[in-house]
Amino acid sequence: DQQVKQNSPSLSVQEGRISILNCDYTNSMFDYFLWYKKYPAEGPTFLISISSIKDKNEDGRFTVFLNKSAKHLSLHIVPSQPGDSAVYFCAASARTGANNLFFGTGTRLTVIP
Amino acid sequence: DTAVSQTPKYLVTQMGNDKSIKCEQNLGHDTMYWYKQDSKKFLKIMFSYNNKELIINETVPNRFSPKSPDKAHLNLHINSLELGDSAVYFCASSQGSGNYGYTFGSGTRLTVV
Repeated sequence: DQQVKQNSPSLSVQEGRISILNCDYTNSMFDYFLWYKKYPAEGPTFLISISSIKDKNEDGRFTVFLNKSAKHLSLHIVPSQPGDSAVYFCAASARTGANNLFFGTGTRLTVIP
Repeated sequence: DTAVSQTPKYLVTQMGNDKSIKCEQNLGHDTMYWYKQDSKKFLKIMFSYNNKELIINETVPNRFSPKSPDKAHLNLHINSLELGDSAVYFCASSQGSGNYGYTFGSGTRLTVV
């Protein structure tokens, strides 16, 4: 049972435009959400996170939005750069109990120069 | 200096063999994990160790046995390898609950033939 879902396996965006990656979750106990970025032949690297007490967190060109009622979060990258081309994984955890990250299946972002 | 290092990076072996994957972290983290990324790119937790003690053991065949000689190492031993074990295995570490993100190794691609 996949508790975190990324329904778009791939996304192509022109350089300089906005990239929007989406993620849905089913477990209402999740209260912490993270985005990871993965290049080929490397492990995922932490990008940005958001706690359920917030609805927005911003770090430079990266902003994560959380809609708890819809159990939906999104990652915005503005402006997109070719170096952003990678697979992006959404992850979620419930901070009470076992610390276990549940991952989505990833979205491959291609930024076209 | 690699923060989380896994060896080997690639492993090709025959069905029925026993193999080990090693993981070491030099971040001083107290929690280490093994994740499996299957052919559908789904990253799923297998084990979690905190200060050398098992805290998460998801539904994984008992052919898989983690060993943590100290909190900087978490090795994965697999007995009687099967074709379905072919996947990329990622080791990760975090400090405490990991709410500031996990640090992943670069993965071990296991191919069982």
